[in-house]
Amino acid sequence: DAGVIQSPRHEVTEMGQEVTLRCKPISGHNSLFWYRQTMMRGLELLIYFNNNVPIDDSGMPEDRFSAKMPNASFSTLKIQPSEPRDSAVYFCASSSLLAGSYNEQFFGPGTRLTVL
Amino acid sequence: SQQGEEDPQALSIQEGENATMNCSYKTSINNLQWYRQNSGRGLVHLILIRSNEREKHSGRLRVTLDTSKKSSSLLITASRAADTASYFCATSSNYQLIWGAGTKLIIKP
Repeated sequence: DAGVIQSPRHEVTEMGQEVTLRCKPISGHNSLFWYRQTMMRGLELLIYFNNNVPIDDSGMPEDRFSAKMPNASFSTLKIQPSEPRDSAVYFCASSSLLAGSYNEQFFGPGTRLTVL
Repeated sequence: SQQGEEDPQALSIQEGENATMNCSYKTSINNLQWYRQNSGRGLVHLILIRSNEREKHSGRLRVTLDTSKKSSSLLITASRAADTASYFCATSSNYQLIWGAGTKLIIKP
């Protein structure tokens, strides 16, 4: 298995531009998570999906952020318009939810986003 | 939201020594997990301990869980330079996985 796949690995964009991050979870996992990591705030959960349905998006910073999971093998995180404070490493992770609790999460390599 | 708090925030030890990191949490849990993150990489799962377990081993790792004190510890024995990384605890309950802020471990050769 290739593990969780994220693209792009690095993204540099200018303030105001739209940014789309992509994630392919591990086949068979029914839960997907988007995280943001910065030095100042650490690891933050943005949103998580279970069976392609968004369960908790309370971590999404504001309306500029949106996430979709159109099928079990693909998810996107979009920022429109982007701002310099969105600069961070964005991780996607997948897991299987069994008996009401999560097993281990498998993380992708992350997308390092820089907004100038 | 973060419920786990790792202690210490940073730890620097000599290669060969044992490293102990602690994690405290606030609510009841189904399980507690420890992850490692090397610089510039994603998090990697190390070990999971369920709420009805008190101790678990995996290679040089030993994890304990005290649900009465709502705390866990991760012990790495005979540390190596390659153990240099950040270590995070995460608690699982009610469909959520809640992360601590992490302990940065540096192993000096």
